[in-house]
Amino acid sequence: GQSLEQPSEVTAVEGAIVQINCTYQTSGFYGLSWYQQHDGGAPTFLSYNALDGLEETGRFSSFLSRSDSYGYLLLQELQMKDSASYFCAVIPGDSSYKLIFGSGTRLLVRP
Amino acid sequence: DSGVTQTPKHLITATGQRVTLRCSPRSGDLSVYWYQQSLDQGLQFLIQYYNGEERAKGNILERFSAQQFPDLHSELNLSSLELGDSALYFCASSASGEGIDEQFFGPGTRLTVL
Repeated sequence: GQSLEQPSEVTAVEGAIVQINCTYQTSGFYGLSWYQQHDGGAPTFLSYNALDGLEETGRFSSFLSRSDSYGYLLLQELQMKDSASYFCAVIPGDSSYKLIFGSGTRLLVRP
Repeated sequence: DSGVTQTPKHLITATGQRVTLRCSPRSGDLSVYWYQQSLDQGLQFLIQYYNGEERAKGNILERFSAQQFPDLHSELNLSSLELGDSALYFCASSASGEGIDEQFFGPGTRLTVL
């Protein structure tokens, strides 16, 4: 089976940097994705990591360590609009067609 | 706007009933995914179709079924509804159906079972 662990909530101040961690246990692994979901909205894609290392996209970066079964999403220069839920998701080894989501981290950005 | 459409937006029904949720993927996308999101929970993968064929299955209940039609729209059928089926149901589409592809999510259908 597969399991993903993320913190349930994180609070940070506007302008700061925040890191949202994700650890996973899967039987086989293709890659790790991150999605953002605002309250009442649909999830939107942020990033995908298949190889170890850091991927940067504007204010957001995502990191993966396959040997540690660990990844994180780094949000810099936080803005109020970044308040949302963030989900990590793995592509398990038993099927490259699936995407298995974690339970999400609710980020609250305070002024 | 992701380009993925879902109907209806809201659905209220009673236990034991059957409902059909509809999804139209983005233009050009061949793959459709269905997810269930219960209150304050993550997205539970249900099933994926690619160009009309079922390609991957998650923890989908036997009371639930889906299909993708030749015009690539998809329907999710939920029968013998229970209170616990109340949730937000999302459809997503992608070009190839590979997990690495960015998935584009529709606005969701909120199902309430009374």
